[in-house]
Amino acid sequence: DAKTTQPNSMESNEEEPVHLPCNHSTISGTDYIHWYRQLPSQGPEYVIHGLTSNVNNRMASLAIAEDRKSSTLILHRATLRDAAVYYCILRDVDSGNTPLVFGKGTRLSVIA
Amino acid sequence: EADIYQTPRYLVIGTGKKITLECSQTMGHDKMYWYQQDPGMELHLIHYSYGVNSTEKGDLSSESTVSRIRTEHFPLTLESARPSHTSQYLCASSEYWMNTEAFFGQGTRLTVV
Repeated sequence: DAKTTQPNSMESNEEEPVHLPCNHSTISGTDYIHWYRQLPSQGPEYVIHGLTSNVNNRMASLAIAEDRKSSTLILHRATLRDAAVYYCILRDVDSGNTPLVFGKGTRLSVIA
Repeated sequence: EADIYQTPRYLVIGTGKKITLECSQTMGHDKMYWYQQDPGMELHLIHYSYGVNSTEKGDLSSESTVSRIRTEHFPLTLESARPSHTSQYLCASSEYWMNTEAFFGQGTRLTVV
């Protein structure tokens, strides 16, 4: 799977929007962009994924650049419960049965 | 809610003991995984399985072994625990197709004294 680059940490005020960036300049046409997050003392949980178009679900929105070399996870109103490590992962649907591989992610702190 | 369970949640054990960490899922998923994570560090894949009787080693070398005799069960065993095995172990499962979400258990925090 192609590599991603994320900031090590970010900070947000409670109830404000948060934009978590991810760069993936070597993305291939069959790479899906997945986001997971890991709350303190818990296993990771799925957040959202997309291919080309922007995606929305109850947890977040995913904005994908037109050239697909970057994407942004958007939390519309950060709460204290959103403090977690957020992982951006590329998954190539044509590469066979490769497992999910995590990088360092972005540690999001939310300030009350 | 994810239907994947790990037991025990916490385990403190002496050096040299044999231990088995349990992982079960009720979603009928073919793929299952074990990750190891030290506090504040990345998750590292140590074992995975594509289905019954399939097991593969992950990116991080581990002295643990796994088995997959039933679809729902993917236990991890350490024959002789050492302090270097102290870590958190996370189990996950997903459907066969690549573009589906993975579900994680709560993890087992292992301390070897």
